[in-house]
Amino acid sequence: DAGITQSPRHKVTETGTPVTLRCHQTENHRYMYWYRQDPGHGLRLIHYSYGVKDTDKGEVSDGYSVSRSKTEDFLLTLESATSSQTSVYFCAISESRQPTSDTQYFGPGTRLTVL
Amino acid sequence: GEDVEQSLFLSVREGDSSVINCTYTDSSSTYLYWYKQEPGAGLQLLTYIFSNMDMKQDQRLTVLLNKKDKHLSLRIADTQTGDSAIYFCAVASSNTGKLIFGQGTTLQVKP
Repeated sequence: DAGITQSPRHKVTETGTPVTLRCHQTENHRYMYWYRQDPGHGLRLIHYSYGVKDTDKGEVSDGYSVSRSKTEDFLLTLESATSSQTSVYFCAISESRQPTSDTQYFGPGTRLTVL
Repeated sequence: GEDVEQSLFLSVREGDSSVINCTYTDSSSTYLYWYKQEPGAGLQLLTYIFSNMDMKQDQRLTVLLNKKDKHLSLRIADTQTGDSAIYFCAVASSNTGKLIFGQGTTLQVKP
């Protein structure tokens, strides 16, 4: 298994509070991604990073921000959590931006509940 | 934008073959993938197919690609209860390099 950990694995929070999820990798891969998984929607890309301090938006980026100060860590922040952000969040990593047979490897996920 | 569609649920008997289908819209996709997600876990890459191939076999798994119809399928032979999971089709966008996922097909294997 690729060395990807996510913390916390479970979190319950209240509407309006800030939340930060952490993704940590030991593979030294350049690209890191944050997805959310919701029933009926599969996985949707929130933000991704193509290097330290280099990030870009995905298809569902509103209400989320990210930071990458080190190769191994990619943080996802919900500045003011809303109930619509209740979801399972997955981090993924890849060596290359271009599609390859190696593609993306996923972390175990963080289940976030916003009350 | 690019879109990937899957049926949501499939139920089979243990020992039967399972076929999970996927359709996509990006005709210039280069790599197409199948991921498996077990309960409470992340996604695990099962197999992939390159767009210039029609078929790829890997032990009990067979991937078929029909580029003309933009249709991808995953066949699992001799399905076991341990195959019960959600299976995601994902297509690499030729424009962005990003993965576009289907909604996932829940495979239920009955003893």
